[in-house]
Amino acid sequence: AQSVTQLGSHVSVSEGALVLLRCNYSSSVPPYLFWYVQYPNQGLQLLLKYTSAATLVKGINGFEAEFKKSETSFHLTKPSAHMSDAAEYFCAVTHGSGNTGKLIFGQGTTLQVKP
Amino acid sequence: GAGVSQSPSNKVTEKGKDVELRCDPISGHTALYWYRQSLGQGLEFLIYFQGNSAPDKSGLPSDRFSAERTGGSVSTLTIQRTQQEDSAVYLCASSSGLNEKLFFGSGTQLSVL
Repeated sequence: AQSVTQLGSHVSVSEGALVLLRCNYSSSVPPYLFWYVQYPNQGLQLLLKYTSAATLVKGINGFEAEFKKSETSFHLTKPSAHMSDAAEYFCAVTHGSGNTGKLIFGQGTTLQVKP
Repeated sequence: GAGVSQSPSNKVTEKGKDVELRCDPISGHTALYWYRQSLGQGLEFLIYFQGNSAPDKSGLPSDRFSAERTGGSVSTLTIQRTQQEDSAVYLCASSSGLNEKLFFGSGTQLSVL
């Protein structure tokens, strides 16, 4: 069975500091992994996805994530936080069916960026 | 349209009443998904439509929940005899096909009193 665990429901960083949001997964099949962002009063937006190609995946807004099979992790990073990055971030894994729209989401991490 | 549109944006209902939530996907998108976002359960897959294929209903939590998609476009999620635990944000998403990028709507906030 597939599952996702996001470590830390709230993360607070200062503007300009490194952003690190943690995600660990469990999957009985080679996973496809995703990070989505939800800004206040908006729908979810895809930040980036891993689909078994390069293990370091670059996404929008300067975010990237590295797939580490040995650690079953897919942590999201950004070198320098902006105030506009404040949002809720969700890690997700495919349900196992190969349909990348049918996802299992983590509980989410709220990112706060302090001036 | 320019994006996935959901209506209403907010719905307050009394326990035991039926509700219908609507989703207008992006024009031309053949795949449509419903998800539920609640405080207790997080984001959960509910149901998926792809073209004319039979929907994947594996995420529906009970037989009080049903959904249809008419003409391969608009979808309606119906909850019968609503319960307080049905209170959540119901999100719709569409994509141009299987394994293509999902585009989410802003959701319908359902409150069952």
